[in-house]
Formats: sequence, structure tokens, C-alpha cells
Amino acid sequence: QSALTQPASVSGSPGQSITISCIGTSSDVGSYNYVSWYQQLPGKAPKLMIFDVNYRPSGVSDRFSGSRSGNTASLTISGLQTEDEADYFCCSYAGSSTLVVFGGGTKLTVI
Amino acid sequence: QVQLVQSGAEVKEPESSVKVSCKTSGGTFSTYAITWVRQAPGQGLEWMGGIIPFFGTPKYAQKFQDRLTITADESTTTVHMELSSLRSDDTAVYFCARGGKGDCTSTSCYWSWFDPWGQGTLVTVS
Repeated sequence: QSALTQPASVSGSPGQSITISCIGTSSDVGSYNYVSWYQQLPGKAPKLMIFDVNYRPSGVSDRFSGSRSGNTASLTISGLQTEDEADYFCCSYAGSSTLVVFGGGTKLTVI
Repeated sequence: QVQLVQSGAEVKEPESSVKVSCKTSGGTFSTYAITWVRQAPGQGLEWMGGIIPFFGTPKYAQKFQDRLTITADESTTTVHMELSSLRSDDTAVYFCARGGKGDCTSTSCYWSWFDPWGQGTLVTVS
């Protein structure tokens, strides 16, 4: 069981927007501005898409955005494209004892 | 351009140990964290531990405290991860990744996000 809770799957049609939630606690997501999101294509290494809750690395499309409300972080993908079909994982710093926790991952299907 | 290149796939017997290396290039070695994350077949990502070469002291997830060793070799800019007492459920792809921003002023910053990642190393325990 992962420390952060994500839906197992979400789906959307090309052009639509979807949001993936990441539910944590006051010991991780709710306490630190260190929430990140990763995209993983089949057979590939994860790729950083969002860091520090809502910042995009250079080269990541502005269709990807992050936010947080309380202990829940969210990743929103607007203008869905078929190439967005992948697994998405959230991650949070969780204090000096646990350090890092991941979500269980969400499979995005673009129908 | 920073690159992390990992050693090749391994097949190990139960109860043995495996050592996976992560060679970094193109950036400053000692002022970033190198973290290890594994992914069992069809499963999610699991944080195992990491090291900040500048400080030298590794950090381990509680689950792996007693059988994980992470070391950093500044002369070769390589980080090694050794997992002992292998079991069948240790079969997974093991990734290294760089953490932090290079100018961190707090410990938490080193574990804030991870980029780039190595290509992954498949370890099969059978």
C-alpha cells in the first residue's frame, strides 16, 4: 500500500482536460512545498513533469499544471493528446524520518 | 547535459546480494542527492534510499534499513546500491535519479524532486 493515494485509472478524450488527485497527510503533502509529478511511458524511466507543487521544468508542455489544497495535490492535463497516455505518479517529501513517499500511480487512457 | 547511466541487468539467486551502479556525468556530483527507486513488475514506484555525496551519510527507507547499502565514489562520480538477502519479491527494475537543485540550503531540498533518471536496471531474483 502506497503512502499517497491516487486513482488507479482515469480516462479522457483528445482535447479534454483531466485531473489526477494525490491524497496525502499533514505529514507530507500538506506540510511541504515539495510535491512532484512524474510521467512514465511503458518500459521507460519516469520523467519529471511538475516540481514544487506547481512548477514545470523547462521543456514540459504548459498543458500540464499542478496544484494543492490541504493534504491533496492534483495534476491537471488540459487539451489531452494521445501522447499523454501514460502512468503518472505523485511524490512528496515527508519529513526527516521518512523522507520520500510516492503514490501508487494512475494510468491515463486517452480514448 | 546531466546523464545517469546504470549498470546492466542482473540475475541473482535468493539470499544473495546485488550491486547496481549509477554513473553520473555532465554536472556537479557532490551537491545533489542520488536516490534509488524500484518498480516491481506492473507495480508503482517505491523509494528505497539515497545519498548526498557532499555529506556522505546515506538515508534509507525503514523497509530496507537492514539490507540496503548506498555508497558514493567521488573519484568516479558513481553511486552504488547494494541490496542483500535477496528474495523473489525483490525482482524489480531499479532506478537511480538525481535529487535537489544544486544550491540547497536545507536537507529537505535534496529530496524535493528527482531529475534526471537513469535508464533502469532489471534485477531478477530466481
